[in-house]
Amino acid sequence: QKEVEQDPGPLSVPEGAIVSLNCTYSNSAFQYFMWYRQYSRKGPELLMYTYSSGNKEDGRFTAQVDKSSKYISLFIRDSQPSDSATYLCAIEETSGSRLTFGEGTQLTVNP
Amino acid sequence: EAQVTQNPRYLITVTGKKLTVTCSQNMNHEYMSWYRQDPGLGLRQIYYSMNVEVTDKGDVPEGYKVSRKEKRNFPLILESPSPNQTSLYFCASSSRGQRETQYFGPGTRLLVL
Repeated sequence: QKEVEQDPGPLSVPEGAIVSLNCTYSNSAFQYFMWYRQYSRKGPELLMYTYSSGNKEDGRFTAQVDKSSKYISLFIRDSQPSDSATYLCAIEETSGSRLTFGEGTQLTVNP
Repeated sequence: EAQVTQNPRYLITVTGKKLTVTCSQNMNHEYMSWYRQDPGLGLRQIYYSMNVEVTDKGDVPEGYKVSRKEKRNFPLILESPSPNQTSLYFCASSSRGQRETQYFGPGTRLLVL
């Protein structure tokens, strides 16, 4: 069993839709949770970083962590074609230690 | 401009021919790491370094070596490359304990024949 599970998609939505991306993890020792965005032929870039249960909002993006269920989510409001990318969740036990990634979900937002 | 650079960006080589992929960052970051990205497997950490002369294995270290003699550089060495090391490689750096500062390089696409 993978330590982090993420549905690879692909996911296709119309412009303006609310997008929900999800990951589950198995190790309850994980404390730090991240979402990365990766455009085609580019390196990943950090979108959201959180270390506690609850919600964290940044513009159109909201990261949600439920440690009791070992479930993390990323919501994108008012999705735009420029949001089309692969989104990866990542988790680590302590900050700066071994980072474990999900497989990534490929998202396409259609104009 | 804050950046992580990797060289080469593309490389075709043959089995057994030693190669080095360089990684350099200009942000004075303590933490650096190498990943490989493969379809269906996502990003997997190969090695990481929390500071100069301090390195540790990630999830898939077999067949790779690293060194951290200077803070800004973290080369990845393949002593005897094999076809199963054909992949897309990324270097990343961040300030220690501050994952929010993490930057990834542009990637190195390696093909081992």
